[in-house]
Amino acid sequence: DTGVSQDPRHKITKRGQNVTFRCDPISEHNRLYWYRQTLGQGPEFLTYFQNEAQLEKSRLLSDRFSAERPKGSFSTLEIQRTEQGDSAMYLCASSSEGVPGYTFGSGTRLTVV
Amino acid sequence: AQSVSQHNHHVILSEAASLELGCNYSYGGTVNLFWYVQYPGQHLQLLLKYFSGDPLVKGIKGFEAEFIKSKFSFNLRKPSVQWSDTAEYFCAVNPLRGNKLTFGGGTRVLVKP
Repeated sequence: DTGVSQDPRHKITKRGQNVTFRCDPISEHNRLYWYRQTLGQGPEFLTYFQNEAQLEKSRLLSDRFSAERPKGSFSTLEIQRTEQGDSAMYLCASSSEGVPGYTFGSGTRLTVV
Repeated sequence: AQSVSQHNHHVILSEAASLELGCNYSYGGTVNLFWYVQYPGQHLQLLLKYFSGDPLVKGIKGFEAEFIKSKFSFNLRKPSVQWSDTAEYFCAVNPLRGNKLTFGGGTRVLVKP
């Protein structure tokens, strides 16, 4: 148990459908991050929250992607009109302000067919 | 923006051999440095981290890494590997006052029994 939970673990969807992933961070962590990892690559930063505020978004995050953290606890990442290129592992991580280093969840593997 | 490069994509070695994985980063300021490991089918786990002080840091499972500031390097070492060290290893960096971890592309290590 890593302390960061992600749901679902796997998602297969048809191209054009919308998908939503959930992340529950470690409860005392106020920072939450989303990353994407494709086969053979390192994780790539998507976006970051401090409490409920989304403070940074990567250029990788097209307008089809949206992330929320409404109460500063769990977060959701939604992808609209999925494309095959969205197939990847989506990783969530959390940390405490002033303490470098993240704790990662197990990820959600998305396959777009 | 910072970037991280890992020199080897794949490493194959036998048990009891020594391991060294290279990592170089580009960033002009002070950074925090990390090595993460991902065992097959598992989430990313922190192996070790460097913030300041002694440039030789020791992590879990007998791993260590040396920060050489003049070379912008943070190489990972283990004197004698075991079959259970088969995994993918990621180097990561974030600026001292930054929030975002930037990862290298990873090195897949296969230890033959």
